Amino acid sequence: GNSVTQMEGPVTLSEEAFLTINCTYTATGYPSLFWYVQYPGEGLQLLLKATKADDKGSNKGFEATYRKETTSFHLEKGSVQVSDSAVYFCALSGNNDMRFGAGTRLTVKP
Amino acid sequence: SQTIHQWPATLVQPVGSPLSLECTVEGTSNPNLYWYRQAAGRGLQLLFYSVGIGQISSEVPQNLSASRPQDRQFILSSKKLLLSDSGFYLCAWSVYWERQPQHFGDGTRLSIL
Repeated sequence: GNSVTQMEGPVTLSEEAFLTINCTYTATGYPSLFWYVQYPGEGLQLLLKATKADDKGSNKGFEATYRKETTSFHLEKGSVQVSDSAVYFCALSGNNDMRFGAGTRLTVKP
Repeated sequence: SQTIHQWPATLVQPVGSPLSLECTVEGTSNPNLYWYRQAAGRGLQLLFYSVGIGQISSEVPQNLSASRPQDRQFILSSKKLLLSDSGFYLCAWSVYWERQPQHFGDGTRLSIL
């Protein structure tokens, strides 16, 4: 079945550092891939998505590229801010369900 | 700004009893609305989605039903709960032109005894 594996946290970075959160997936067919973010005290919300191979999703300075050859969808940001502190979830959509990774907690220190 | 409210947060019900979970969205019009269920050890399974008042699509056959009596209200119901209905239920919404959920509610943990 479909599954998502993302790097374990927590991740602690200084402001303006480069961020990478790894995500790999296993799926049949051609799934869509997502990154969701959960800020403290809030619900899950969509951060970015990619619906086919080689697509790049981007939002709020975050980027992720759908790599079919490596079955990956790594999240990157060139310069993180304190306000980026949150839990990030990689997700895959296919066969009428969504599979989420376990989540990676990011803390950015000033 | 848009908000989504889902209640109750937890619910314990006996087998055979009825169910009603409510979800409301504020700050947007004509959203797509979704009900998901997460059973233990599994991903989020799409149960129902709605693109408008009275328009409900069911993705899996089951003991549950959904209704959308108002534009921003989505209700998950059952006439008689089964043990297998236990799980974590999430409501979500997206703008009408998106086909995937953008914002999730906090969820309802349903335990059937």
